[in-house]
Amino acid sequence: AQSVAQPEDQVNVAEGNPLTVKCTYSVSGNPYLFWYVQYPNRGLQFLLKYITGDNLVKGSYGFEAEFNKSQTSFHLKKPSALVSDSALYFCAVRGSGGSYIPTFGRGTSLIVHP
Amino acid sequence: DGGITQSPKYLFRKEGQNVTLSCEQNLNHDAMYWYRQDPGQGLRLIYYSQIVNDFQKGDIAEGYSVSREKKESFPLTVTSAQKNPTAFYLCASRAYAGGETGNTIYFGEGSWLTVV
Repeated sequence: AQSVAQPEDQVNVAEGNPLTVKCTYSVSGNPYLFWYVQYPNRGLQFLLKYITGDNLVKGSYGFEAEFNKSQTSFHLKKPSALVSDSALYFCAVRGSGGSYIPTFGRGTSLIVHP
Repeated sequence: DGGITQSPKYLFRKEGQNVTLSCEQNLNHDAMYWYRQDPGQGLRLIYYSQIVNDFQKGDIAEGYSVSREKKESFPLTVTSAQKNPTAFYLCASRAYAGGETGNTIYFGEGSWLTVV
């Protein structure tokens, strides 16, 4: 079975400060990891993914994520937060074999204060 | 522009009524998915289809039905058997290809269903 944990329901950060949204996972085989962002009343937008290769993955809107195999983590980061980054963030994982159905975390609400 | 179109954006259902949510994609993607989103519960998979004329139940299929008669279309019917249908419904799709596009699921803009 595969699972994802986003341990924080909400993250608060001041504009201009670095932000981190945490994600840990459990999966059989090699993980495929994804981050999505959801603005109010909208669908999920793909931000970035890790399949293989460099552990630091860069994505849209200045976001990046670091794959850490030993800690089974894939935390989302951004060096300098913007108020417009305020949204709901979802981490997802699936195994490299078998079903192509990813498992999503419960989401973390990011609030960036001016 | 290529994308996934869900309609309607807002739908109201009376007790005992079946309603259908539309999902159309022009990305030439092979697989399509329906998710339900409730506050604080993340996304739950209702049904998915990997090929035309075939589909599988997800984690919460009871009270829902789907069809996949065309590659680009995957409508979801919420039947009267679904006792708590008020939620945000998301359609998604994925290409059957390796590399950059084949591993990523892309989402539509969602549809709100409310029971009145």
